[in-house]
Amino acid sequence: DGGITQSPKYLFRKEGQNVTLSCEQNLNHDAMYWYRQDPGQGLRLIYYSQIVNDFQKGDIAEGYSVSREKKESFPLTVTSAQKNPTAFYLCASSIKGGNTGELFFGEGSRLTVL
Amino acid sequence: GEDVEQSLFLSVREGDSSVINCTYTDSSSTYLYWYKQEPGAGLQLLTYIFSNMDMKQDQRLTVLLNKKDKHLSLRIADTQTGDSAIYFCAEHMEYGNKLVFGAGTILRVKS
Repeated sequence: DGGITQSPKYLFRKEGQNVTLSCEQNLNHDAMYWYRQDPGQGLRLIYYSQIVNDFQKGDIAEGYSVSREKKESFPLTVTSAQKNPTAFYLCASSIKGGNTGELFFGEGSRLTVL
Repeated sequence: GEDVEQSLFLSVREGDSSVINCTYTDSSSTYLYWYKQEPGAGLQLLTYIFSNMDMKQDQRLTVLLNKKDKHLSLRIADTQTGDSAIYFCAEHMEYGNKLVFGAGTILRVKS
């Protein structure tokens, strides 16, 4: 079945450690996105990529990094520079230039910093 | 600026209608969306409306758009317990080709 797979679903990390969240899609979508969700704040865009080997900062990119070496994959690294990393992270994809703007979301990864 | 606002919580009885409201800021938005998030899961697109429309109906869902006031609403008829979820309003920003989401409205349906 086509879809977006995020892993791991739950992740714990100690302060000062980097962690990488995986996002893979087999929908043949060009565009991929990372959002962060905090209670009462909705979704905030971290990074997005419209095409392989290219990506742009979203509204809250500080302390995060991404890569887009393959169309199917858009991993997010939460670095030690991110001051408040505990959150629910959502990956999404869409058809590039799709005029409906429909995003297909993964099931999310919950990161807890101990 | 980019800002989408929603009320945070709505409680209704099963069988009643639910109305979730949203205001947005970008008058150039061409599409506006409603997404649904069930507990511990990602978001799913419920419906969307093009900016030149005033209303769109899809089974139990009715979307109303007042472009002058930049106000969007989602009405769910005959609300069921399975409709309990968080509902997000989103606008499509032409600049950057991205979606800006509201904070989400928690809908609680009491049986």
